[in-house]
Amino acid sequence: DTGVSQNPRHKITKRGQNVTFRCDPISEHNRLYWYRQTLGQGPEFLTYFQNEAQLEKSRLLSDRFSAERPKGSFSTLEIQRTEQGDSAMYLCASSFRGGMLGNTIYFGEGSWLTVV
Amino acid sequence: AQKITQTQPGMFVQEKEAVTLDCTYDTSDPSYGLFWYKQPSSGEMIFLIYQGSYDQQNATEGRYSLNFQKARKSANLVISASQLGDSAMYFCAIGGYSTLTFGKGTMLLVSP
Repeated sequence: DTGVSQNPRHKITKRGQNVTFRCDPISEHNRLYWYRQTLGQGPEFLTYFQNEAQLEKSRLLSDRFSAERPKGSFSTLEIQRTEQGDSAMYLCASSFRGGMLGNTIYFGEGSWLTVV
Repeated sequence: AQKITQTQPGMFVQEKEAVTLDCTYDTSDPSYGLFWYKQPSSGEMIFLIYQGSYDQQNATEGRYSLNFQKARKSANLVISASQLGDSAMYFCAIGGYSTLTFGKGTMLLVSP
């Protein structure tokens, strides 16, 4: 039984460069979420997909950010023209709607981004 | 909008003792879920326990229990018989139809 998988786990990039993170959810889960967490804060919602459809985006998701889930399985989160303020941990999560814990969301280990 | 408040930045407890981590919430949704997650230094958010807003009984999962007081809008996590491995950040979260809103967390340190 594999959990949510994210890669790379760590990324250091120069300001202005583009970065992409990948997330592989738990296989039977049809919902996939992206969160961002900065030091001393709880995770903040960025966006979520149900199957391949992106159903909600936070105001935190500026136009430099784009997320895709083309076949309803894995997802990518791309940040273009990175800024130092983008330095954070990017958490992916997945869930399966329905059942007693229908909204329980299971997280991956996160991808740390440092913009220098 | 939903909001979670965790007023304890840090808590200390001795091994084998019980500890309560506080969480209050605010929401206008008639139906919601309350969650607790543990985040060790590795970064992964580990699901601990869930309480539905219409559940009559407080949720329990092993050494974890959730003290749900709906009228007070509180959902405190109780950890019984603390272990050294319980040292971590703990986040309370509230969920509606689509996603979760987290508090700022409480750092728990368990000493021998």
